[in-house]
Amino acid sequence: GQQLNQSPQSMFIQEGEDVSMNCTSSSIFNTWLWYKQEPGEGPVLLIALYKAGELTSNGRLTAQFGITRKDSFLNISASIPSDVGIYFCAGINSGGSNYKLTFGKGTLLTVNP
Amino acid sequence: DTGVSQDPRHKITKRGQNVTFRCDPISEHNRLYWYRQTLGQGPEFLTYFQNEAQLEKSRLLSDRFSAERPKGSFSTLEIQRTEQGDSAMYLCASSPRTGLAYEQYFGPGTRLTVT
Repeated sequence: GQQLNQSPQSMFIQEGEDVSMNCTSSSIFNTWLWYKQEPGEGPVLLIALYKAGELTSNGRLTAQFGITRKDSFLNISASIPSDVGIYFCAGINSGGSNYKLTFGKGTLLTVNP
Repeated sequence: DTGVSQDPRHKITKRGQNVTFRCDPISEHNRLYWYRQTLGQGPEFLTYFQNEAQLEKSRLLSDRFSAERPKGSFSTLEIQRTEQGDSAMYLCASSPRTGLAYEQYFGPGTRLTVT
């Protein structure tokens, strides 16, 4: 099936640092979504992207839909301890169902106060 | 709270028993999804409902799994004759009819442990 490759797998940073993570695919995606998941909870939607090249912000978070439509990026500025969690990218493949999300394996973010 | 709710949050069962989970989507969301998530992985799609119609089932959903959404509101996911490999977090999500239809909002999940 479809695979989304997320990197890095994990990050350990100091409070106040900026964070960058990305997600790549061998196929074209029509929609990219970024979620955050904390232990024992479901994923929480952070940002949704619908057009190639689109850049969208949500507070300290900024995400971009790659020009090739095969990748997406998430940046977190001035990290704080509550940013800790697993960040997942998810996409809707252009050649598949227009509602089935394919997820990456996540990036585990740890913020040291 | 008007988000997606799931019940129970945790379920421990013995191998061979049947279990049923419930999901209540966000009001007026006509699309409902079930996903399964195992440790260290992202959620994997299981099935999709538009109103009461089940429009797609993943190959992950074996014959022991059945999902229903009888009145187009809440949904149930039943697993018969549970196996240890069924241990996972079962997530439900919903999305609106139009507009932001691709934005899926997840519930807190049901953690299933099969002993």
